Amino acid sequence: GQNIDQPTEMTATEGAIVQINCTYQTSGFNGLFWYQQHAGEAPTFLSYNVLDGLEEKGRFSSFLSRSKGYSYLLLKELQMKDSASYLCALNRDDKIIFGKGTRLHILP
Amino acid sequence: DSGVTQTPKHLITATGQRVTLRCSPRSGDLSVYWYQQSLDQGLQFLIQYYNGEERAKGNILERFSAQQFPDLHSELNLSSLELGDSALYFCASSMEAIPTDTQYFGPGTRLTVL
Repeated sequence: GQNIDQPTEMTATEGAIVQINCTYQTSGFNGLFWYQQHAGEAPTFLSYNVLDGLEEKGRFSSFLSRSKGYSYLLLKELQMKDSASYLCALNRDDKIIFGKGTRLHILP
Repeated sequence: DSGVTQTPKHLITATGQRVTLRCSPRSGDLSVYWYQQSLDQGLQFLIQYYNGEERAKGNILERFSAQQFPDLHSELNLSSLELGDSALYFCASSMEAIPTDTQYFGPGTRLTVL
């Protein structure tokens, strides 16, 4: 199987750093996506990791460890507009399988 | 604005009916993906077309079908509708066949089955 687990909800403070974890059980996959989705809106692409390691894009970074079955999305210098759901998804045989997402609440 | 358009924005219909959802990809994109998002199941991949041909199939029910036309727009047909088909249906487009690059999502069609 390819169960993807993410925390359902997280809360963080404006200006802080938050790490959203994603664990999965699968025998193989091509890569791992992270998407951001604001309530009532379409998902927007954040990152796609193929190789192990950290990829940084401005305030957002994504990490992948295939051996540990683990990824995380790191958000720095949190802003109120970062309040959204964050979806982890696996690309397995060109089929994209999403986790249920993590709802991130930002407090002022 | 992602450049992907979907119509209609909202659709309300009754059980047993059939509906067609339409998607126009971004200019230059050859791939179209369809997704269903419901509260209990989350976002689920349904099907992908690339340049008019079906390329990958996910959790698409037999009551559902899709196609991509020569002008690259795509339609998702849902028939014998059930209450559980109520969901937000997104399409997304990208340039490549392989889903490794950025997918641009449309605003979605909210389907309500009564």
